Amino acid sequence: KQEVTQIPAALSVPEGENLVLNCSFTDSAIYNLQWFRQDPGKGLTSLLLIQSSQREQTSGRLNASLDKSSGRSTLYIAASQPGDSATYLCAVRQNDMRFGAGTRLTVKP
Amino acid sequence: DGGITQSPKYLFRKEGQNVTLSCEQNLNHDAMYWYRQDPGQGLRLIYYSQIVNDFQKGDIAEGYSVSREKKESFPLTVTSAQKNPTAFYLCASSIGRGWANEQFFGPGTRLTVL
Repeated sequence: KQEVTQIPAALSVPEGENLVLNCSFTDSAIYNLQWFRQDPGKGLTSLLLIQSSQREQTSGRLNASLDKSSGRSTLYIAASQPGDSATYLCAVRQNDMRFGAGTRLTVKP
Repeated sequence: DGGITQSPKYLFRKEGQNVTLSCEQNLNHDAMYWYRQDPGQGLRLIYYSQIVNDFQKGDIAEGYSVSREKKESFPLTVTSAQKNPTAFYLCASSIGRGWANEQFFGPGTRLTVL
């Protein structure tokens, strides 16, 4: 059974810092991996979707990488802003969709 | 304005009551999903439906029921058999059948048992 782990559970950084969020999964036979953002009490907003054949995807200040063989993905956020404060979730797809518990990010002004 | 709507935003249930959470989408998506989110945990799949009049159980279906009579609607009923229903419930949809397709999420319903 696929297990998805996100470390750290919480992260606090000063504004302007570059940061990396980590996601690991136990079974490398995935269709794709997706990163989401969730604000408190809200639904999930898709950030980046990486297909199993891809190594990375970029959108603005966000860059997500995928190393399927090692079961790892990272989400890189450049020049963090207070508006980036949220919980970031990763999810992998095989014959279902498995989510990590998320990393709660706080960016301090 | 295309999207997924969930109602109500907040729902309170007394012990022993059944309650129904609404999920509607106007994206013409084939598949719809219900997830439950508890603090500090990832989303867990309750039920999903890849076609009208058909649905499958997810990991935590006990105490829940669904119907899919229309393509755009996938209501979830939380029955009195669900031992600990207080949670945040998220509905999602995807354009095609199968798990490879990107899912889009609604805003969620927070259910509290009094």
